[in-house]
Amino acid sequence: GQQLNQSPQSMFIQEGEDVSMNCTSSSIFNTWLWYKQDPGEGPVLLIALYKAGELTSNGRLTAQFGITRKDSFLNISASIPSDVGIYFCAGSYNNNDMRFGAGTRLTVKP
Amino acid sequence: EADIYQTPRYLVIGTGKKITLECSQTMGHDKMYWYQQDPGMELHLIHYSYGVNSTEKGDLSSESTVSRIRTEHFPLTLESARPSHTSQYLCASSGGQGNTGELFFGEGSRLTVL
Repeated sequence: GQQLNQSPQSMFIQEGEDVSMNCTSSSIFNTWLWYKQDPGEGPVLLIALYKAGELTSNGRLTAQFGITRKDSFLNISASIPSDVGIYFCAGSYNNNDMRFGAGTRLTVKP
Repeated sequence: EADIYQTPRYLVIGTGKKITLECSQTMGHDKMYWYQQDPGMELHLIHYSYGVNSTEKGDLSSESTVSRIRTEHFPLTLESARPSHTSQYLCASSGGQGNTGELFFGEGSRLTVL
């Protein structure tokens, strides 16, 4: 099955910097989800998006559902060491066949 | 907070053993999934179920089998484990009232086959 294209694959940033990552798909979705996974744990849902153009925040995290319905981005502002982990995007159409990106591995240097 | 539980969290076994990874959810979700994930890598869907007595193979071929006799329970079985089965196995569920499509994940079962 088709995977989403998620970039960048990895990021090494300094504490306090802002982070941006995105996902694109060749097909349209009506749900975009962003997850974070800590080492040895299962992914935890950060933000869910259901409408094209929707911009949603969760603390220092902001995610947007692209107007074309084929992309989404996640921003993290003022990164802190506990932001370290793998961030996955996921998308689906009509709640069927949820597709995951390959993940963005974030390292935050104190 | 998600109410989906996996056991065991960690398992080290010898080649040829039969193992079952348990997954239970108390959210009344119809859909359940098993993903295989090597450390730090992407998720690969190996099995899913849309309800009781429904099981389907996912995108990644797997020698494991699943069953869905009860809504809340979706165990995964390896009849004869091999070192190539060493990985993390993640169970997830979605659905229920006001289904938003969000997947809720368990904490994972880390399997090592010697």
